[in-house]
Amino acid sequence: SAVISQKPSRDICQRGTSLTIQCQVDSQVTMMFWYRQQPGQSLTLIATANQGSEATYESGFVIDKFPISRPNLTFSTLTVSNMSPEDSSIYLCSVVWGAEGTEAFFGQGTRLTVV
Amino acid sequence: GENVEQHPSTLSVQEGDSAVIKCTYSDSASNYFPWYKQELGKGPQLIIDIRSNVGEKKDQRIAVTLNKTAKHFSLHITETQPEDSAVYFCAASSARQLTFGSGTQLTVLP
Repeated sequence: SAVISQKPSRDICQRGTSLTIQCQVDSQVTMMFWYRQQPGQSLTLIATANQGSEATYESGFVIDKFPISRPNLTFSTLTVSNMSPEDSSIYLCSVVWGAEGTEAFFGQGTRLTVV
Repeated sequence: GENVEQHPSTLSVQEGDSAVIKCTYSDSASNYFPWYKQELGKGPQLIIDIRSNVGEKKDQRIAVTLNKTAKHFSLHITETQPEDSAVYFCAASSARQLTFGSGTQLTVLP
């Protein structure tokens, strides 16, 4: 399995500001995924980040709001821009592993509160 | 796209009893079904998974069953312990994209 480290683990931010979340993996991986988990809810995929290309965003998520960087095969960042209280969520980084590339592993998450 | 429904949303059992969580999926192309356990303040942890060519898989106290015809799969936890208390998510994977169920809050009462 892969070990995934996310920073920060939690933050409280003022509305209108931006926060960048970092995700570091202990092995090289082709794809990294960013999820949002709203309070008491399930996980929703925000985007898929491939090294060397633009991230692919899911319906309802746009690059201007959630810009993603993927500078190398072990690191990615997600920025939550121009935050509002509705952005208060847990943001999770994930990678897939295993022979068939289907086993997903998650970081511990970043708990964001926007006030 | 895929749609995964999970029941129940909350489940309380006495320590030592069994717990069963059920999920249904809509996309017949889905071929991989993992289960995750999420403890408070932590990310989801993969606890068991099953592929579409297998009907049942067991790992110590946990087991997963899959009925492809009916498009449903279930998580079984036997001899529950207080440390099993957490939120459990099922998921279905089609073309390597995971769709998650809504989660089940399991509480094991001592």
